Amino acid sequence: KNEVEQSPQNLTAQEGEFITINCSYSVGISALHWLQQHPGGGIVSLFMLSSGKKKHGRLIATINIQEKHSSLHITASHPRDSAVYICAVIRDFGNEKLTFGTGTRLTIIP
Amino acid sequence: DVKVTQSSRYLVKRTGEKVFLECVQDMDHENMFWYRQDPGLGLRLIYFSYDVKMKEKGDIPEGYSVSREKKERFSLILESASTNQTSMYLCASSAPLHFGNGTRLTVT
Repeated sequence: KNEVEQSPQNLTAQEGEFITINCSYSVGISALHWLQQHPGGGIVSLFMLSSGKKKHGRLIATINIQEKHSSLHITASHPRDSAVYICAVIRDFGNEKLTFGTGTRLTIIP
Repeated sequence: DVKVTQSSRYLVKRTGEKVFLECVQDMDHENMFWYRQDPGLGLRLIYFSYDVKMKEKGDIPEGYSVSREKKERFSLILESASTNQTSMYLCASSAPLHFGNGTRLTVT
């Protein structure tokens, strides 16, 4: 069993829909990243969370440390949000090594 | 704009060749990482470095070595390339976390 599990693996939605991607982990962590990867390979960190909730534009990320669960929400989804979203955890604060989920492929249809 | 630059986007090499993948960051970061990304397996850590000349093995170091002679440069070396090393290779540095655009390596 992977230490970091994401669901769903694939998600197709209509433009404007509210999107939720989930991440569960089975190990102790110091922080969690939500990453975005567009076709072509480049990866961008959207959020780094160690507690609570963060918001940036239409994106919201939450984490519940006790339940070992995080969610990424996208409000008013747009075709440009189509990408692979990856959850990654930092187990040891200070060395920043990441353990990754296998990603969620999101497709937003106009 | 901060940058992590990988020297090649696409690379084709023959089995048995020695391959160098170069990564340079301009953010004065202490930590640098090499990952590979494969369908169904996600991203996996090959090696990381937390200071010049310091390195630690990641989850899949077999068949790879690294070099960090200067703070800004972290090189991944495939001593004798094999077909099972065909993959997307991503360099990253932190903190904060930044990735390069990746090198898609094909070994024939």
